[in-house]
Amino acid sequence: EIVLTQSPATLSLSPGERATLSCRVSQNINNYLTWYQQKPGQAPRLLIHAASNRATGIPARFSGSGSGTDFTLTISSLEPEDFAVYYCQQRSTWPITFGQGTRLEIK
Amino acid sequence: EAQLVESGGDLVQPGGSLRLSCAASGFTFSSHWMSWVRQAPGRGLEWVASISDSANEKNYVDSVKGRFTISRDNAKNSMHLQMDSLRVEDTAVYFCARDPPRYSDYWGQGTLVTVSP
Repeated sequence: EIVLTQSPATLSLSPGERATLSCRVSQNINNYLTWYQQKPGQAPRLLIHAASNRATGIPARFSGSGSGTDFTLTISSLEPEDFAVYYCQQRSTWPITFGQGTRLEIK
Repeated sequence: EAQLVESGGDLVQPGGSLRLSCAASGFTFSSHWMSWVRQAPGRGLEWVASISDSANEKNYVDSVKGRFTISRDNAKNSMHLQMDSLRVEDTAVYFCARDPPRYSDYWGQGTLVTVSP
């Protein structure tokens, strides 16, 4: 099973600041890395697929990068609605696995 | 726009069974893989199972193999998850999701399954 480790577990920032979230993978998954955002009581929302492709309707302040085993989600300038939990997911091989999540909270 | 609506969640005793359904609309259901993902209270996301567009390929997380069965009815634009021998640790909100290759782009709002004596 491929293990995804997200860091930090919690990130405390202020609106307008830049957020950098990391997802490290236990083996090479090429670029089969997806990022989701989840707010309390809601379903996950697709942000980025194939490591760097923004999903339809996702603002340009969200960007993804990386390949192989190290991936990053960057939010260039935080808006109030960006404070949520973020998950990475690999779909390179079965079973599909998620990281444990990074909670982005308002400082 | 694509829409997914789950149903069937309930309170059930350990060892019991439950059948979840996912009704799809707004897209060509028969052209897409579909998945179930669950989230235990206060916990992260866990993939449960996926089924190919033609239902000829099915994959499961180890913890549900032999207990859960994923299926679909392309004529009725629906997917199902038959859950047998339920355990307390199966308690979660269960989401269905549409899968273009390699990611999930549309999700339902989830249905709550509670397994408790």
